[in-house]
Amino acid sequence: DAGITQSPRHKVTETGTPVTLRCHQTENHRYMYWYRQDPGHGLRLIHYSYGVKDTDKGEVSDGYSVSRSKTEDFLLTLESATSSQTSVYFCAISDSAGEQETQYFGPGTRLLVL
Amino acid sequence: GQNIDQPTEMTATEGAIVQINCTYQTSGFNGLFWYQQHAGEAPTFLSYNVLDGLEEKGRLSSFLILSKGYSDLQLKDLQMKDSASYLCAVSSTDSWGKLQFGAGTQVVVTP
Repeated sequence: DAGITQSPRHKVTETGTPVTLRCHQTENHRYMYWYRQDPGHGLRLIHYSYGVKDTDKGEVSDGYSVSRSKTEDFLLTLESATSSQTSVYFCAISDSAGEQETQYFGPGTRLLVL
Repeated sequence: GQNIDQPTEMTATEGAIVQINCTYQTSGFNGLFWYQQHAGEAPTFLSYNVLDGLEEKGRLSSFLILSKGYSDLQLKDLQMKDSASYLCAVSSTDSWGKLQFGAGTQVVVTP
């Protein structure tokens, strides 16, 4: 199993508060991804990173920012949480972005915004 | 963009075979992945196809027809632990390094 951890695993917060989720890997993989998963929508990409300090937006990036200052850590920040951001958030990593860019997922973070 | 369609739910009996299909529309196809996800857990990688044909791995096989934008995942000798959601994901050269996921097919295995 890929060495990926996410913290916190569960969080309840209030509308308008900032929230930061952390993804940590021990595999030295170059590519890291943040997804959210909601019923009926499947996994949707929020942001991704292709190296330290190199990040780009996914399909649902509004209201989210990311940072990657070290290979092993990829942070997702909700600047001002809203109820629509209640979701399960998964981090993923991959070693390449070519033909066989198999992604491996962390355990997920359940976020409830009240 | 990419459209990925798969059935919402399928039910099958223990010991039987289930076949889950996935159809996709994309330009610059660069590979198709199948993942399994148990309730409350993370998706785990099952298989990868990039060329026409069959990939087999134990009880599991995945099949791809490029010209039809079609793939299916077949699970044989179903076990109760196979009850899970199965996610189809497509890689495209138009979205380099990113996967587009279908909404998933919930497979329910009954005794």
